Amino acid sequence: KAGVTQTPRYLIKTRGQQVTLSCSPISGHRSVSWYQQTPGQGLQFLFEYFSETQRNKGNFPGRFSGRQFSNSRSEMNVSTLELGDSALYLCASSVDNNVDTQYFGPGTRLTVL
Amino acid sequence: QKEVEQDPGPLSVPEGAIVSLNCTYSNSAFQYFMWYRQYSRKGPELLMYTYSSGNKEDGRFTAQVDKSSKYISLFIRDSQPSDSATYLCAMSVDNYGQNFVFGPGTRLSVLP
Repeated sequence: KAGVTQTPRYLIKTRGQQVTLSCSPISGHRSVSWYQQTPGQGLQFLFEYFSETQRNKGNFPGRFSGRQFSNSRSEMNVSTLELGDSALYLCASSVDNNVDTQYFGPGTRLTVL
Repeated sequence: QKEVEQDPGPLSVPEGAIVSLNCTYSNSAFQYFMWYRQYSRKGPELLMYTYSSGNKEDGRFTAQVDKSSKYISLFIRDSQPSDSATYLCAMSVDNYGQNFVFGPGTRLSVLP
C-alpha cells in the first residue's frame, strides 16, 4: 500500500509570494490533516479536510488555506509569505481523523527568504 | 509554562543501552497519549498509543503513563543505531487529530 505523498519536497520562496503544497493520501483515507513543524513551536495543527469539507481548523491566520478534491487529494495554500512561515509542512491521512490510524507524509520543507 | 514539556536533548547513548524519554504536561484532562519517531527528512511515525494510565509494551518499546504526576515515559531497551531519531510525545483529551498537543521532541543518537 503506497504511503502519503507530498509534493514538492523542497521549496524556496521570497516574502510576499504565495505557495501551494500538495498531498496525496493513502488509498481509502478520506481525512487529510495539515500540520506545521518548526523548531520553536513544534508540530501545530493547521486544518483537517474530510469529503472535500474543512471540518477542523487550528489557530493560524487566514493566509493559510486549503482544499480537498473528490479523490481525497488535498492542497494547502499560503499567501503573502512571511519569513516566519519557513517550516516543514506535514500532511497526514487517516480513515476518519482518528489519530491511531493516522499516517504522515514526508513533508514539504518551505524556506521563505 | 507550555502545555507539554519535553527535554529537547540531544541525548547520546551507546548501543545496547536502555533509553528513557519523558514528557510532562499540565492539562489533567488529557486521556490519550502517543509517542512518535521522526527520522531526518521524514514525517513522524506513530510508535506507541495509550489511553489513560498504565503501561504498554511493544517489542523493545515500553510506554508508561502516570496521570497522577502528569508524566509519560518511553523506554527503549537494547537501543540500536537505527533508533537514532527525534522522539515526539503527543497528548489529547480525545482521539481527534486537531486536539493533540505535541512536545517539541527529543533528539536521540545511539552510538555504535
